[in-house]
Amino acid sequence: QQPVQSPQAVILREGEDAVINCSSSKALYSVHWYRQKHGEAPVFLMILLKGGEQKGHEKISASFNEKKQQSSLYLTASQLSYSGTYFCGTVNNNAGNMLTFGGGTRLMVKP
Amino acid sequence: DAGVIQSPRHEVTEMGQEVTLRCKPISGHNSLFWYRQTMMRGLELLIYFNNNVPIDDSGMPEDRFSAKMPNASFSTLKIQPSEPRDSAVYFCASRRLAGDNEQFFGPGTRLTVL
Repeated sequence: QQPVQSPQAVILREGEDAVINCSSSKALYSVHWYRQKHGEAPVFLMILLKGGEQKGHEKISASFNEKKQQSSLYLTASQLSYSGTYFCGTVNNNAGNMLTFGGGTRLMVKP
Repeated sequence: DAGVIQSPRHEVTEMGQEVTLRCKPISGHNSLFWYRQTMMRGLELLIYFNNNVPIDDSGMPEDRFSAKMPNASFSTLKIQPSEPRDSAVYFCASRRLAGDNEQFFGPGTRLTVL
């Protein structure tokens, strides 16, 4: 079953912050985050394994709440280059390597 | 290092024709995935292989779709006969099987069935 992402779309001004959420109805083993720019392939951002860890890459970080079966992606002081569609992909057990992607969140950063 | 290679990048065909999409995974990656992306359905997993063996093909829409991986460096996705509703971008992705790590996506094949 596909994880649910929210919001579906968000528009920001450069320098503003945003949070993208990803919720699953199934127990999660890990959550992957990808960004896709228009006309391009998805590009990996980060993986979070169960244990509630938080990761960061420059001004983009994420958290994983295993109990709530949720992950959130935090974009701080957004830049124009952050524009694109963000996808979470969930892995539901540690025996498989199959990702189920959410519907995506379209992020547009304006000057 | 070369990334995942897909061919063709664009394919325009007529309904009823056979279409073959090709993928070369990153060397050393032993897990390969085929995805389809449309505006309506998003990014869907069609099938994936571990060590050249199909593991889960539950995402394959119907019998018109078939996929093979004859060796570690090549996979094909075939649609026969093609229909207009098959129009989409088809991505191939690969990763190392061991551990939980990132998938690397190819540039995709944009398929248009007229």
